Amino acid sequence: EIVLTQSPATLSVSPGEGATLSCRANKSINNNLAWYQQKPGQAPRLLIYGASTRATGIPARFSGSGSGTDFTLTITSLQSEDFAVYFCQQYNNWPPWTFGQGTKVEIK
Amino acid sequence: EVQLVESGGGLVQPGGSLRLSCEASGFAFSSYDMNWVRQAPGKGLEWISHISSTGTPMYYTDSVKGRFTISRDNAKNSLFLQMNSLRAEDTAVYYCARARFRTTIVTPFDSWGQGTLVSVSS
Repeated sequence: EIVLTQSPATLSVSPGEGATLSCRANKSINNNLAWYQQKPGQAPRLLIYGASTRATGIPARFSGSGSGTDFTLTITSLQSEDFAVYFCQQYNNWPPWTFGQGTKVEIK
Repeated sequence: EVQLVESGGGLVQPGGSLRLSCEASGFAFSSYDMNWVRQAPGKGLEWISHISSTGTPMYYTDSVKGRFTISRDNAKNSLFLQMNSLRAEDTAVYYCARARFRTTIVTPFDSWGQGTLVSVSS
């Protein structure tokens, strides 16, 4: 089973600043990694797939990078609507499809 | 517009059963693999089951094998999860989620329902 470890657990950021979230896999998953955003009481929303491809309708301030075992989600100039929990997911080795434990981006 | 609407959640005693449904609209349901993902209160996301567009194969996470059964009715654009022998640790919001790509199983999940809450307690 692929284990994904996200860091940090919580990130405190001021509006307008940038944020960098990390996701590390315990073995190579090529570029088969997705990022999701989840707000309280809502379903997850796909942001990034293929490690770096933005999903439909996702603003350009969200970008993903990485391959193999180390991946990054970067959010430039955080807007109020970006404060949420972010999960990474691998879909290279299945079953199971696995998720990281999440990073909460909160207002500083 | 893609829509997924779950139903069937509720409060059930340990050892009991529930059947969740997910009604799909706005896309060619029969062409897409589907999944169930759950989220325990205050916790992360856990994939629990996958079914191909045709109904087979199906996959399950180890903790639900032998207790949960995924199925679909393509004529009715519906996905199901039969949950038996429920345990307290099955308490969660259950989401149905669509596979992003139709031609490969190597795919993330691009559309999610709003979820249905299952509570297992005496």
